[in-house]
Amino acid sequence: QSVLTQPPSASGTPGQRVTISCSGSSSNVGSNYVYWYQQLPGMPPKLLVYRNNQRPSGVPDRLSGSKSGTSASLAISGLRSEDEADYYCAVWDDKLSGPVFGGGTKLTVL
Amino acid sequence: EVQLLESGGDLVQPGGSLRLSCVGTGFTFGSYALTWVRQAPGKGLEWVSTISGSGDNTFYADSVKGRFTISRDNSQNTLYLQMNSLRGEDAAMYYCAKDATPYYWGQGTLVTVSS
Repeated sequence: QSVLTQPPSASGTPGQRVTISCSGSSSNVGSNYVYWYQQLPGMPPKLLVYRNNQRPSGVPDRLSGSKSGTSASLAISGLRSEDEADYYCAVWDDKLSGPVFGGGTKLTVL
Repeated sequence: EVQLLESGGDLVQPGGSLRLSCVGTGFTFGSYALTWVRQAPGKGLEWVSTISGSGDNTFYADSVKGRFTISRDNSQNTLYLQMNSLRGEDAAMYYCAKDATPYYWGQGTLVTVSS
C-alpha cells in the first residue's frame, strides 16, 4: 500500500480535461514539494511537474500541477491520445527520510 | 544534457549479491543527491535509497535496510548500489535518478532473482 493515494484509473475523451489526485499527510505533501511523472510502457518515468506547479522545459502548458494542504492534483487539458500512460506523484517524506510515491494512475483516452 | 546510465543488472539466485552502477554526465555530479528507485514488473515505483552529494548521508527504505548499501565515487561520476541477501521481491527494474525527489531518470537496469 502506497503512502500517497492516487486513483488507480482515470479516463477522458480527446479534448477533455482530466484531473488526477494525490493525497498524503502532513509529513509529506503537507510540508514538501510535489512532483508528477508520466510513464509510457517500457520507458522510465518522465518528469512533468516539479515543486508543485513548475514545468520542465518541453512540457506543454496544458499540463498543470497544484497543491492544497495535504492533497495535490495534476490537470491535463486538451486531452490527446498520446497522453495515455501511467502517472505518478512523488514527494519527500520527513518521517521516512526518503521520497514516497503514489500507486500510480492509468489514464485512458477513450 | 543530463544523462544517467545504469548497469550491472543480472539474473541472480535468492540469497545472492549484485552491484549496480550508474554513471552520470551533463551536471556537476558531486553537487547533487542521487536516488535509486525500483519497479517490479507490472507494479508501481518504490524508493530504495538516497545518498547526499558528498556521500556523507545515506537513507534506505525499510524493505532493503541492512541488505543494500548505497555509495558514490564523485571522482568517477558513479553511483553504486550493493545488494546482498537478495530475495524474490527484490526483482525489478532499478532506476538511478538525480536529486532526492527524482528529476532526471536513467533508463534502468533489470534485476531478476530466481533459482
